[in-house]
Amino acid sequence: QSVLTQPPSVSGAPGQRVTISCTGSSSNIGAGYDVHWYQQLPGTAPKLLINGNNNRPSGVPDRFSGPKSGTSASLAITGLQAEDEADYYCQSYDSSLSAWVFGGGTKLTVL
Amino acid sequence: QVQLVQSGAEVKKPGASVKVSCKASGYTFVRYGISWVRQAPGQGLEWMGWISVYNGNTNYAQKLQGRVTMTTDTSTSTAYLELTSLRSDDTAVYYCARAPTTELDFWGQGTLVTVSS
Repeated sequence: QSVLTQPPSVSGAPGQRVTISCTGSSSNIGAGYDVHWYQQLPGTAPKLLINGNNNRPSGVPDRFSGPKSGTSASLAITGLQAEDEADYYCQSYDSSLSAWVFGGGTKLTVL
Repeated sequence: QVQLVQSGAEVKKPGASVKVSCKASGYTFVRYGISWVRQAPGQGLEWMGWISVYNGNTNYAQKLQGRVTMTTDTSTSTAYLELTSLRSDDTAVYYCARAPTTELDFWGQGTLVTVSS
């Protein structure tokens, strides 16, 4: 069971907006630690998508955003495209575990 | 450009040890930490630990304490992960990743370690 909770799957049609939630606690997201999001395409290494609370690394389209509120964060994808079909993971730091923690991952299906 | 190139796939017997390498290029090696993350077949990402390349400080995941060792060689810009007393549930793809702070901004291609008798 992951410290950060994500839905196992989400889906949407091309052009639609989808959100993926990441729920933590007072020892990680709620304590103010940054939340990062990764995209993992099938058979490839994860790629940093959102860095430090809603900052996109160079080359990541602005269709992706990652707001945080309280003990939760979310990844929003607008204008869904077939190439967005992938697994998405949130990640933060947990002070009670003194460890970096990942969510269990969410599989995005583009219908 | 930043690159992390990992060593090739390994097949090990239960009880054996494995050492995976991760050669960095395209940046100043000592200025960033390195984290190791693994992914069992069909499963999610699991953080294994972090090493400061600057001073060698480490932080290992509690469940791996006593079996994992992370080291670096600054002369060759290479990070190493050693895992001992291998079990079947250690079968996974192992990734190294550059860690500027708490995020992992560049990842290696992954190394498949298979533990099987």
